[in-house]
Amino acid sequence: IQMTQSPSSLSASVGDRVIITCRASQAIRNELGWYQQKPGGVPKLLIYAASRLESGVPSRFSGSGSGTDFTLTINNLQPEDFATYYCLQDCAYPRTFGPGTRVEIK
Amino acid sequence: EVQLVESGGGLVQPGGSLRLSCTSSRLTLSNYWMTWVRQSPGKGLQWVANINEDGTVEHYADSVKGRFTISRDSAKNSLFLQMNSLRADDTAVYYCARDRNYVDSGTWYDVFDNWGQGTVVTVSS
Repeated sequence: IQMTQSPSSLSASVGDRVIITCRASQAIRNELGWYQQKPGGVPKLLIYAASRLESGVPSRFSGSGSGTDFTLTINNLQPEDFATYYCLQDCAYPRTFGPGTRVEIK
Repeated sequence: EVQLVESGGGLVQPGGSLRLSCTSSRLTLSNYWMTWVRQSPGKGLQWVANINEDGTVEHYADSVKGRFTISRDSAKNSLFLQMNSLRADDTAVYYCARDRNYVDSGTWYDVFDNWGQGTVVTVSS
């Protein structure tokens, strides 16, 4: 299963709402997670099962979607949110990540 | 808080082998599915392989199938990745991750909630 993300990068300001899209090459129900990775850092789980917020993750992060189209929304973007975001399908093997979306400071 | 520690990375020539290890002083790894994920320099994340709790089920990315073997040793509380026939494009940071799993209505979801800091593998002559 191929995963695509759009945009590949974006510039945003603190306080903005950011929407990242992930698309699967075939239907994956809601079997998708979102991970955040800061430069030089380790990936961090944000969302699993498409919309379930991982414990400890701020509520400004939310996920939605089912089938082939998914979104990660970040409301009220904070300075610590500038990072690269990856989706990961866990519907079929081999698991596949999207190419990532880099969120930069405007 | 990182609770997984990888080791075994290094510089190896093309065609060579390396064995990566992942261990934890706080987590009992045999209670979980475990996964290896890698990241080539300046690139995105790539899922590599996973293994179930008792080591009887394994899955691999197409790019490593037949060359890499994932295994575990519950007595040593360790996860391993044996990498043979290494190629330049295997150069990456290799992360191990715990899969906490989430089950809802019979569907199992991957939940990679704990990651190591990674170990660097460089394949070059």
